[in-house]
Formats: sequence, structure tokens, C-alpha cells
Amino acid sequence: GPKVLQIPSHQIIDMGQMVTLNCDPVSNHLYFYWYKQILGQQMEFLVNFYNGKVMEKSKLFKDQFSVERPDGSYFTLKIQPTALEDSAVYFCASSLPGGKDTQYFGPGTRLLVL
Amino acid sequence: GEKVEQHESTLSVREGDSAVINCTYTDTASSYFPWYKQEAGKSLHFVIDIRSNVDRKQSQRLTVLLDKKAKRFSLHITATQPEDSAIYFCAASPQNYNQGKLIFGQGTKLSIKP
Repeated sequence: GPKVLQIPSHQIIDMGQMVTLNCDPVSNHLYFYWYKQILGQQMEFLVNFYNGKVMEKSKLFKDQFSVERPDGSYFTLKIQPTALEDSAVYFCASSLPGGKDTQYFGPGTRLLVL
Repeated sequence: GEKVEQHESTLSVREGDSAVINCTYTDTASSYFPWYKQEAGKSLHFVIDIRSNVDRKQSQRLTVLLDKKAKRFSLHITATQPEDSAIYFCAASPQNYNQGKLIFGQGTKLSIKP
């Protein structure tokens, strides 16, 4: 099926540092998403993004979080500064526009904040 | 907000038998219900979905049933095989799916015994 790529697969950083998670979505997809999964728990929606704008964000999407996709390159999630509770696996997903379309997920970035 | 509950945290069936995983949701306006499979250490893999305009959808060994009155949907896997072993997540999209947010259940770990 369609492939979403994420870089890096793992990241370890010190609390307070900045981190950028990169997502390479499916090439013709126009909706992009970030989800957070803490070990052993369910996936939780963070934010979705379309046409250069955040469409919706959850309460987990703190002020320290930001997303962008400059010039059709990677869709990124930046956390600045990081906190211990940001440790989780972050999954990117993408879908076609028009609503009611399947979201395809990347392999995730495992973030550990020390 | 929307809540999705997955009733079985673990399920063990003998190879060749059928497995059923049940989910309930709270938002009457939810209209799209995908299922994902997650193998250990891997990302979510789309399995099957159902939209609220039908109450049943089948794809090979998989069938999804939707009971809108009871706000319940279920995944049925027939003739189970060892490769069906994984964590299965149900999800629902609240209200306007054009926004794309998926609310996930807690996951059901399905084990297929030889």
C-alpha cells in the first residue's frame, strides 16, 4: 500500500532541547496528521494540516508544538522546548483530500526526552 | 468529546477459529470507522473500514459490522492464521470527517494459538 516515511526512527534528547520530527507523506496526499502513542496506550490525535494551515489540534498539542510543510517538502513536527512527558512514539499519517479517505501511517519516531 | 472503547484488551483464539473484536463509540455523528493492525514495534497498517451509510462490509476473511443504534461496531476475522496475531485498533471520526481526526480505541491484542 501507500508508504509514509518518517525520519529519524529514534531520537534521544535532553529536556529543554528542540527536536524536529520529519514526515515524508504519500506523494499525492494533501491532508497530514500527527498522532502520539505512549508505550502501551492508544494512539492520540495531535493535529491535522491542510493547504498550509492547521485544521484542528487537540489539547495535547501544546504551545511548544508547531507543524509546517515548507514548499512541499517534509511535513514536520517541532517541539521547542521538550519536556519529559513528550517521550512517546510520534506517528505521521496522510490522506487524500475530499474527506472520508483512508489515513496511511508512517513507521513512527520513537522520542525519548531525558 | 468522542470516546471509543475497545472491550477486549486481549483475545486468544485457536488457529482456524473466528475472532471478534468489539468497539463502542459515543458521538452519534461519527460516520467513518477504520480498523488498523499493529504488529510489535511497527506502525499501524490499515485493515478495513466502514462508513455509516452501510451496516456491513466484507473483505476476504474480514467483516465489519456497524450498529448505529447501539453505537457499536465490530471486526470479525474468520479462519484465523498465525499472521493475524497483532494489536488491532478501532477508530472513529467524530462529526465532520473532512477534518480528519481519528479517535482510537485502546487496542486488542489478538493471539492465534496453533
